[in-house]
Amino acid sequence: GENVEQHPSTLSVQEGDSAVIKCTYSDSASNYFPWYKQELGKRPQLIIDIRSNVGEKKDQRIAVTLNKTAKHFSLHITETQPEDSAVYFCAHFGNFGNEKLTFGTGTRLTIIP
Amino acid sequence: DGGITQSPKYLFRKEGQNVTLSCEQNLNHDAMYWYRQDPGQGLRLIYYSQIVNDFQKGDIAEGYSVSREKKESFPLTVTSAQKNPTAFYLCASSMDRGFYGYTFGSGTRLTVV
Repeated sequence: GENVEQHPSTLSVQEGDSAVIKCTYSDSASNYFPWYKQELGKRPQLIIDIRSNVGEKKDQRIAVTLNKTAKHFSLHITETQPEDSAVYFCAHFGNFGNEKLTFGTGTRLTIIP
Repeated sequence: DGGITQSPKYLFRKEGQNVTLSCEQNLNHDAMYWYRQDPGQGLRLIYYSQIVNDFQKGDIAEGYSVSREKKESFPLTVTSAQKNPTAFYLCASSMDRGFYGYTFGSGTRLTVV
């Protein structure tokens, strides 16, 4: 299977608080997990990614964690700011005949000033 | 646009007409992709090509056609058979089939009038 489930579909967070978005996948051969941010009317842009040989990766206020046993990975945004408001997509890269990214359905994150 | 250019930015089509969306990249990427995005929705794969002169159907290929005669170019034709073509269309490219992520173009917003 190549599906990926993403939750929640919408998330509102007070400015300065943390936001967490979770994705679950079914392809046990998946080995690359990127996260994309899409601002209104713009193109998705890669913000962070993780490979299956590590469990966590951090870049300033953004972190991604991966649990390969449970087949889920999460995006964590700390000290949220208004410019974090956007739609976030998780994705995973399949393998063995399914070598392309499969995207989650997206999470609309709204930061409340 | 980070090396991948979509044109035009806005496109209006009369019902019953075919229209072609352009996607050009100078990143020397082997693979290219077309996605459709409806308001508030996720990314749905239309077609993809991992090598010149070869392409595969995605999840919603009906009513669309593509060609890949050059590595740099992957045009998408929206045919009259596509009953609801109004949407935001995104082109992407990748090296190594996506194992290093995708680079997206800035999109074409197609409206049927």
